[in-house]
This record gives sequence, C-alpha cells and structure tokens, in this order.
Amino acid sequence: NAGVTQTPKFQVLKTGQSMTLQCAQDMNHNSMYWYRQDPGMGLRLIYYSASEGTTDKGEVPNGYNVSRLNKREFSLRLESAAPSQTSVYFCASNEVFEAFFGQGTRLTVV
Amino acid sequence: GNSVTQMEGPVTLSEEAFLTINCTYTATGYPSLFWYVQYPGEGLQLLLKATKADDKGSNKGFEATYRKETTSFHLEKGSVQVSDSAVYFCALTSEGAAGNKLTFGGGTRVLVKP
Repeated sequence: NAGVTQTPKFQVLKTGQSMTLQCAQDMNHNSMYWYRQDPGMGLRLIYYSASEGTTDKGEVPNGYNVSRLNKREFSLRLESAAPSQTSVYFCASNEVFEAFFGQGTRLTVV
Repeated sequence: GNSVTQMEGPVTLSEEAFLTINCTYTATGYPSLFWYVQYPGEGLQLLLKATKADDKGSNKGFEATYRKETTSFHLEKGSVQVSDSAVYFCALTSEGAAGNKLTFGGGTRVLVKP
C-alpha cells in the first residue's frame, strides 16, 4: 500500500543510548517532516526537509539530527537519548494537495 | 509565516449533538486545507481536504468549507457518535520558498458521551 512507513513502532532506550528512527514514503513527495507528540499535546515540528539534500530546524530540534538520504527516506537520530525525549514520533510527507502520516514510533527513554 | 488557529478543547458533547470546531488560518499564496483525526492510541488520519476557495471537503459525515474571505475552514458534523471521540487537527500547506510546508493547529479534543 502507498503511504509513509516508519520503523520501529516501539522502542525503549536507556539514557545516553543512541538510535535512528527510519521513515520512507513512496508517493514521490518532496517535503518530509518529523514531529513529536507528548501526552495531551499537539504536534511539535522537530525537523523539516523541503527536498532531497535540504533540512531545516523546526520548533524543537535540540537533541536530534536528521538525514534526507534520498527523496524517499528521511531519518531522525537521537545521539544521546534523554528521558525528556520520551514521546510519540510521527513522520509525514506532503505535496501541496495531499499530506500523509506514518503510524508513529512510541519511544520511551528510561 | 503560515499559521493555523483552532479552538481549544476539550469539547464535550452528547451523542447526536451538532459539532463545530473552528479553524482559521494565515497563509501566503493559495493554501490547501486539511482536517486530520487522531483516535486514542493511533496515528493521524486524513479526514478531509479542500484545495481551493469554496471547495467543500466531506467524509464520514464531517464537512468543512474553504472560506477564503474569512480565512476559515470550520469542521462540522450534524449528529456525532461516541466513536467520533478523538483529537482533530486543522492543517494547511502552501507553496513557498521553503517548499510545500505543512502547518498544524494545536488540536481540539472531542469527547462524545452516550
């Protein structure tokens, strides 16, 4: 099925560990995003990529890095996880007339 | 820059009541407008969209009309069900120097009681 695929769906990390969240879309969209959603809150933009080879910081970029590997893939890396990064992470992609989300990654940092 | 403002929740309704969630926007150019729904424990699903002025998006009994003159895209449903309990997000995209950036409102939690 066409759409946005995120992996993994669940992850538990210890403080200080690193990990990469993967995201891929097969809709040939130029723009891709990483958001985090904390309990009872809306979506906060971490990073944004307008096209292959470009990335921009969003509202809450501290503690994260991203790579736009190619047009399909946009990964989010936590270099040294902290409990404050416990959240649900969503990847999205869009063109002007459509926007789609992945199913989310539930990350717990202990 | 672009922005989306939607009414704060929670909105608590009885089953079969009329639901309205207000959404207004600020954008350059000619944005496309979206409503997303997030059911408890799930990701965001596209509920409906409108891509030009006066378009009406509709899905699952929900409707929203793109009003350029009032820069609004209010979500309505005539008779809600318990299964409509969710968080609703208004969003837009518009072409610009930074690409077709997606901008979200803060979300409105809706609780429908039997």
